[in-house]
Amino acid sequence: QLQLQESGPGLVKPSETLSLTCTVSGGSISSSSYYWGWIRQPPGKGLEWIGSIYYSGSTYYNPSLKSRVTISVDTSKNQFSLKLSSVTAADTAVYYCARVYCGGDPPYYYYMDVWGKGTTVTVSS
Amino acid sequence: DIQMTQSPSSLSASVGDRVTITCRASQGISNYLAWYQQKPGKVPKLLIYAASTLQSGVPSRFSGSGSGTDFTLTISSLQPEDVATYYCQKYNSAPIFTFGPGTKVDIK
Repeated sequence: QLQLQESGPGLVKPSETLSLTCTVSGGSISSSSYYWGWIRQPPGKGLEWIGSIYYSGSTYYNPSLKSRVTISVDTSKNQFSLKLSSVTAADTAVYYCARVYCGGDPPYYYYMDVWGKGTTVTVSS
Repeated sequence: DIQMTQSPSSLSASVGDRVTITCRASQGISNYLAWYQQKPGKVPKLLIYAASTLQSGVPSRFSGSGSGTDFTLTISSLQPEDVATYYCQKYNSAPIFTFGPGTKVDIK
Protein backbone atom coordinates (compact mmCIF):
# COMPACT_ATOMS: atom_id res chain seq x y z
CA GLN A 1 0.00 0.00 0.00
CA LEU A 2 1.43 3.33 -1.06
CA GLN A 3 2.35 5.68 1.77
CA LEU A 4 3.72 9.21 1.77
CA GLN A 5 5.54 10.77 4.70
CA GLU A 6 6.50 14.41 5.04
CA SER A 7 9.59 15.37 7.00
CA GLY A 8 11.45 18.55 7.84
CA PRO A 9 11.81 21.28 10.46
CA GLY A 10 8.68 22.28 12.29
CA LEU A 11 9.95 25.78 12.98
CA VAL A 12 11.47 28.17 10.46
CA LYS A 13 12.60 31.75 11.03
CA PRO A 14 11.16 34.61 8.98
CA SER A 15 13.09 35.34 5.76
CA GLU A 16 14.65 31.88 5.78
CA THR A 17 13.91 28.93 3.49
CA LEU A 18 11.41 26.23 4.39
CA SER A 19 12.59 22.78 3.27
CA LEU A 20 10.44 19.65 3.34
CA THR A 21 10.85 16.16 1.93
CA CYS A 22 8.20 13.61 1.06
CA THR A 23 9.28 9.97 1.14
CA VAL A 24 7.23 7.55 -0.95
CA SER A 25 7.01 3.94 0.22
CA GLY A 26 5.13 0.97 -1.16
CA GLY A 27 5.48 2.13 -4.74
CA SER A 28 7.81 3.81 -7.19
CA ILE A 29 7.98 7.54 -7.64
CA SER A 30 9.02 6.84 -11.23
CA SER A 31 5.64 5.50 -12.31
CA SER A 32 4.47 7.07 -15.56
CA SER A 33 0.90 7.41 -14.27
CA TYR A 34 1.60 9.83 -11.50
CA TYR A 35 2.79 13.29 -10.65
CA TRP A 36 3.62 14.27 -7.08
CA GLY A 37 2.36 17.37 -5.35
CA TRP A 38 2.58 19.71 -2.39
CA ILE A 39 -0.48 21.32 -0.79
CA ARG A 40 -0.71 23.47 2.31
CA GLN A 41 -3.40 24.53 4.76
CA PRO A 42 -2.96 27.52 7.08
CA PRO A 43 -4.55 27.16 10.51
CA GLY A 44 -8.33 27.29 10.24
CA LYS A 45 -8.24 27.95 6.50
CA GLY A 46 -8.67 26.08 3.24
CA LEU A 47 -6.37 24.08 1.00
CA GLU A 48 -3.83 25.72 -1.31
CA TRP A 49 -2.00 23.85 -4.06
CA ILE A 50 1.71 24.70 -4.11
CA GLY A 51 3.08 22.71 -7.02
CA SER A 52 3.42 19.40 -8.85
CA ILE A 53 6.38 17.44 -10.21
CA TYR A 54 6.85 14.46 -12.53
CA TYR A 55 9.60 11.92 -11.96
CA SER A 56 11.42 13.37 -14.97
CA GLY A 57 11.67 16.68 -13.12
CA SER A 58 8.96 18.54 -15.03
CA THR A 59 7.27 21.00 -12.66
CA TYR A 60 4.15 23.13 -12.35
CA TYR A 61 3.82 25.84 -9.70
CA ASN A 62 1.07 27.96 -8.21
CA PRO A 63 1.55 31.37 -9.85
CA SER A 64 1.08 33.11 -6.51
CA LEU A 65 4.06 31.23 -5.04
CA LYS A 66 6.15 30.58 -8.13
CA SER A 67 8.84 33.15 -7.38
CA ARG A 68 9.61 31.49 -4.04
CA VAL A 69 9.02 27.77 -4.71
CA THR A 70 11.27 25.02 -5.94
CA ILE A 71 10.12 21.40 -6.11
CA SER A 72 12.62 18.68 -6.95
CA VAL A 73 12.66 14.90 -7.19
CA ASP A 74 15.23 12.26 -6.25
CA THR A 75 14.21 9.00 -7.88
CA SER A 76 17.11 7.10 -6.32
CA LYS A 77 15.68 7.84 -2.87
CA ASN A 78 12.00 7.71 -3.92
CA GLN A 79 11.59 11.22 -2.56
CA PHE A 80 10.51 14.64 -3.70
CA SER A 81 11.15 17.91 -1.95
CA LEU A 82 9.80 21.41 -1.44
CA LYS A 83 11.76 24.58 -0.88
CA LEU A 84 9.94 27.83 -0.10
CA SER A 85 12.16 30.87 0.27
CA SER A 86 11.76 34.15 2.13
CA VAL A 87 9.07 32.79 4.43
CA THR A 88 6.81 34.94 6.57
CA ALA A 89 4.20 34.17 9.18
CA ALA A 90 1.69 33.79 6.34
CA ASP A 91 3.51 30.60 5.35
CA THR A 92 2.64 28.94 8.66
CA ALA A 93 0.56 25.92 7.70
CA VAL A 94 0.17 22.18 7.61
CA TYR A 95 2.05 21.01 4.54
CA TYR A 96 0.84 17.88 2.75
CA CYS A 97 2.44 15.86 0.02
CA ALA A 98 0.21 13.86 -2.30
CA ARG A 99 0.22 11.53 -5.25
CA VAL A 100 -1.41 13.04 -8.33
CA TYR A 101 -2.99 10.50 -10.64
CA CYS A 102 -2.77 11.24 -14.35
CA GLY A 103 -4.97 9.09 -16.51
CA GLY A 104 -7.83 8.59 -18.87
CA ASP A 105 -7.79 9.59 -22.51
CA PRO A 106 -6.22 12.95 -23.44
CA PRO A 107 -6.89 15.50 -22.12
CA TYR A 108 -6.01 13.62 -18.97
CA TYR A 109 -7.68 13.58 -15.60
CA TYR A 110 -5.63 14.74 -12.65
CA TYR A 111 -6.53 14.26 -9.04
CA MET A 112 -4.85 13.67 -5.69
CA ASP A 113 -5.65 10.15 -4.59
CA VAL A 114 -3.10 9.45 -1.85
CA TRP A 115 -2.05 11.99 0.76
CA GLY A 116 0.60 12.11 3.45
CA LYS A 117 -0.44 12.80 7.02
CA GLY A 118 0.85 16.35 6.84
CA THR A 119 3.48 18.22 8.79
CA THR A 120 3.02 21.48 10.66
CA VAL A 121 5.46 24.26 9.86
CA THR A 122 5.48 27.40 11.96
CA VAL A 123 7.29 30.52 10.84
CA SER A 124 8.43 32.46 13.87
CA SER A 125 11.55 34.02 15.29
CA ASP B 1 -7.12 32.93 -13.67
CA ILE B 2 -10.20 30.78 -13.16
CA GLN B 3 -11.70 31.26 -9.71
CA MET B 4 -13.70 28.68 -7.82
CA THR B 5 -16.55 29.52 -5.46
CA GLN B 6 -18.64 27.25 -3.26
CA SER B 7 -22.03 27.68 -1.68
CA PRO B 8 -23.08 27.60 0.98
CA SER B 9 -19.97 28.20 3.06
CA SER B 10 -21.52 26.13 5.82
CA LEU B 11 -24.68 24.17 6.43
CA SER B 12 -26.35 22.23 9.18
CA ALA B 13 -28.66 19.34 8.34
CA SER B 14 -30.32 16.40 10.05
CA VAL B 15 -29.26 12.79 9.76
CA GLY B 16 -30.93 11.33 6.70
CA ASP B 17 -31.31 14.65 4.92
CA ARG B 18 -30.31 15.16 1.32
CA VAL B 19 -27.46 17.67 1.18
CA THR B 20 -26.33 19.56 -1.90
CA ILE B 21 -23.16 21.66 -2.21
CA THR B 22 -22.55 23.85 -5.23
CA CYS B 23 -19.21 24.71 -6.82
CA ARG B 24 -18.95 27.32 -9.55
CA ALA B 25 -16.04 28.13 -11.86
CA SER B 26 -15.58 31.63 -13.25
CA GLN B 27 -15.02 30.10 -16.70
CA GLY B 28 -15.93 26.78 -18.24
CA ILE B 29 -13.74 23.89 -17.12
CA SER B 30 -15.48 21.00 -18.88
CA ASN B 31 -15.60 18.20 -16.29
CA TYR B 32 -12.15 18.88 -14.84
CA LEU B 33 -13.40 18.88 -11.26
CA ALA B 34 -12.79 16.79 -8.17
CA TRP B 35 -14.35 16.80 -4.71
CA TYR B 36 -12.51 16.14 -1.46
CA GLN B 37 -13.74 15.53 2.08
CA GLN B 38 -11.72 16.67 5.08
CA LYS B 39 -12.94 15.53 8.45
CA PRO B 40 -11.89 17.59 11.47
CA GLY B 41 -8.20 17.13 12.17
CA LYS B 42 -7.81 14.66 9.33
CA VAL B 43 -6.21 14.44 5.91
CA PRO B 44 -8.28 15.34 2.83
CA LYS B 45 -9.80 12.38 1.04
CA LEU B 46 -10.74 12.15 -2.63
CA LEU B 47 -14.45 11.51 -3.15
CA ILE B 48 -15.16 12.23 -6.80
CA TYR B 49 -13.13 13.01 -9.91
CA ALA B 50 -14.04 14.02 -13.43
CA ALA B 51 -17.05 15.77 -11.89
CA SER B 52 -19.11 12.61 -11.43
CA THR B 53 -16.89 9.53 -11.07
CA LEU B 54 -16.95 8.06 -7.58
CA GLN B 55 -13.54 7.13 -6.22
CA SER B 56 -13.21 3.48 -5.27
CA GLY B 57 -14.38 2.79 -1.72
CA VAL B 58 -16.47 5.95 -1.36
CA PRO B 59 -20.05 5.30 -0.20
CA SER B 60 -22.67 5.48 -2.93
CA ARG B 61 -24.63 8.15 -1.04
CA PHE B 62 -22.09 10.59 -2.45
CA SER B 63 -22.58 11.74 -6.03
CA GLY B 64 -21.34 14.51 -8.26
CA SER B 65 -22.73 16.20 -11.31
CA GLY B 66 -22.19 19.15 -13.59
CA SER B 67 -20.07 20.38 -16.43
CA GLY B 68 -18.80 23.71 -17.66
CA THR B 69 -19.16 26.20 -14.82
CA ASP B 70 -21.66 24.68 -12.39
CA PHE B 71 -21.13 21.55 -10.33
CA THR B 72 -22.83 19.88 -7.39
CA LEU B 73 -21.87 17.38 -4.73
CA THR B 74 -24.85 15.56 -3.25
CA ILE B 75 -25.05 13.44 -0.14
CA SER B 76 -28.29 11.52 -0.56
CA SER B 77 -28.74 10.66 3.12
CA LEU B 78 -26.50 12.53 5.53
CA GLN B 79 -24.75 10.37 8.12
CA PRO B 80 -22.97 11.45 11.31
CA GLU B 81 -19.63 10.40 9.83
CA ASP B 82 -20.13 12.88 6.97
CA VAL B 83 -19.40 15.84 9.25
CA ALA B 84 -16.54 17.46 7.38
CA THR B 85 -15.47 20.30 5.16
CA TYR B 86 -15.91 19.59 1.46
CA TYR B 87 -13.67 21.15 -1.17
CA CYS B 88 -14.06 21.27 -4.88
CA GLN B 89 -10.88 21.39 -6.94
CA LYS B 90 -10.41 22.20 -10.59
CA TYR B 91 -7.55 21.04 -12.72
CA ASN B 92 -6.32 22.12 -16.12
CA SER B 93 -5.07 20.00 -18.99
CA ALA B 94 -2.01 19.71 -16.72
CA PRO B 95 -1.54 19.04 -12.99
CA ILE B 96 -2.34 22.66 -12.08
CA PHE B 97 -4.97 22.93 -9.39
CA THR B 98 -7.24 25.43 -7.70
CA PHE B 99 -9.30 24.55 -4.64
CA GLY B 100 -12.61 26.08 -3.77
CA PRO B 101 -12.94 27.76 -0.36
CA GLY B 102 -14.76 24.82 1.20
CA THR B 103 -18.19 24.04 2.61
CA LYS B 104 -18.47 22.97 6.23
CA VAL B 105 -21.19 20.38 6.91
CA ASP B 106 -22.52 19.80 10.42
CA ILE B 107 -25.29 17.72 11.93
CA LYS B 108 -28.30 19.66 13.24
